[in-house]
Amino acid sequence: GQNIDQPTEMTATEGAIVQINCTYQTSGFNGLFWYQQHAGEAPTFLSYNVLDGLEEKGRFSSFLSRSKGYSYLLLKELQMKDSASYLCAVRDKNDYKLSFGAGTTVTVRA
Amino acid sequence: EAGVTQSPTHLIKTRGQQATLRCSPISGHTSVYWYQQALGLGLQFLLWYDEGEERNRGNFPPRFSGRQFPNYSSELNVNALELEDSALYLCASSLNKRRGNEQFFGPGTRLTVL
Repeated sequence: GQNIDQPTEMTATEGAIVQINCTYQTSGFNGLFWYQQHAGEAPTFLSYNVLDGLEEKGRFSSFLSRSKGYSYLLLKELQMKDSASYLCAVRDKNDYKLSFGAGTTVTVRA
Repeated sequence: EAGVTQSPTHLIKTRGQQATLRCSPISGHTSVYWYQQALGLGLQFLLWYDEGEERNRGNFPPRFSGRQFPNYSSELNVNALELEDSALYLCASSLNKRRGNEQFFGPGTRLTVL
């Protein structure tokens, strides 16, 4: 099974940087995903890490350390539209099931 | 390219009734996943279908069931509805497990049980 922890809420100002941490415990790791979910909408894919290191995609970057069971999502140059819930999800290598954390609600203030 | 579609958008039922939710994956995707997202809670994995077969299910009672059709669309059935079944039900699809990494989500069906 999976045990995934991420902070409940974070607040930051427009133009700033926010780092959302995610720690996990898993019996079989096959990748870590970050999704963005605006209120009342479906999650949308942000990033995927399966090897250690940093993956950069525009204003968003994601980091993975498999030995530490740790990942973070970095949001740079925050915009008001980045206010959303950010979900960390770990995929099991045996059944390809995604297990999601409870999500981190990020509020961007002017 | 059309995304994952789900129907209906909203569904209102009473306790004890049965609900049927439908999902059409992205063309070419053979895997379909169902998740439940209750208010204030994270996504909980319900079921996974791949190439017509149930591959895995989450920790939900047997009254949650489903199937996948030859065209890879899928149906989720919830029998003997209970108030706590009220939630957003999300369907996601991906290329088959041998090639796919990302799951693409549909807009969801909001089920309300009165």
